[in-house]
Amino acid sequence: ELKVEQNPLFLSMQEGKNYTIYCNYSTTSDRLYWYRQDPGKSLESLFVLLSNGAVKQEGRLMASLDTKARLSTLHITAAVHDLSATYFCAVDTGTGTASKLTFGTGTRLQVTL
Amino acid sequence: GAVVSQHPSRVICKSGTSVKIECRSLDFQATTMFWYRQFPKQSLMLMATSNEGSKATYEQGVEKDKFLINHASLTLSTLTVTSAHPEDSSFYICSARTSGVSQRYFGPGTRLTVL
Repeated sequence: ELKVEQNPLFLSMQEGKNYTIYCNYSTTSDRLYWYRQDPGKSLESLFVLLSNGAVKQEGRLMASLDTKARLSTLHITAAVHDLSATYFCAVDTGTGTASKLTFGTGTRLQVTL
Repeated sequence: GAVVSQHPSRVICKSGTSVKIECRSLDFQATTMFWYRQFPKQSLMLMATSNEGSKATYEQGVEKDKFLINHASLTLSTLTVTSAHPEDSSFYICSARTSGVSQRYFGPGTRLTVL
C-alpha cells in the first residue's frame, strides 16, 4: 500500500522566516503535485512536478522532486500571513485511465505576525 | 484554467435518505472523474474513479452499493449517497482530468451533514 507522509504535520512560523515541508512516499513515481487548502474550501493547485529533479517556483513557494529519494519538498521563503493554510502533496501512480492520486497527510501552516 | 463545479455546495439531510451530488466540467471534456471524501482535519481519501461510459472503480473499503457513481457524459458525474447515516457526514470533493493530461482540476466540494 502506498504511503505518503508529510513532515511536519503542523508548522507555526513567524512572518519573514524560511521553512521547508517534506513529502516522502513509498513507491516509484515521477509525478507529484502540491495543493493548498484554506479552511472550508477545496484544493488550489500550486505545482505539478513531472520528472526527477523538477523544480518550480511561484512567489514565495518553491517545490522540488527527487524521485530516487522518493522525496519532494515545498520551501517557503520569507513567509507572510497570507500563506497560512493546509498544504498537501499528492503522488500520481498508475498510467492512463488507471492513474490516481494518493494524498499526503497534510501540513497545517500558521504564519504569525 | 479549467473549471469544475459541484452542486449542491451544502446539503443537510435526515438519516436514511439518499443524496445526489453533481460534478460538472464546465469548459473541458472530463474523460476521468474522481471522488474524494475528507473528514475534518484529515487528508483526502479517494473513494472511486470513473471513466466516461464505464463502471466506476472503487477503492478498497468503499461500499459500491452505498456510494453510487455515474459518469454518463464527458462533462457530468454524479455521486449518490444512499441511505445516508451520520457517519457519512463529510466533505465530498470531485476532481476531473482529460485524456493525456496529468493535471487534475478540483471542484469546490460539497459538505454533507446527515442528522
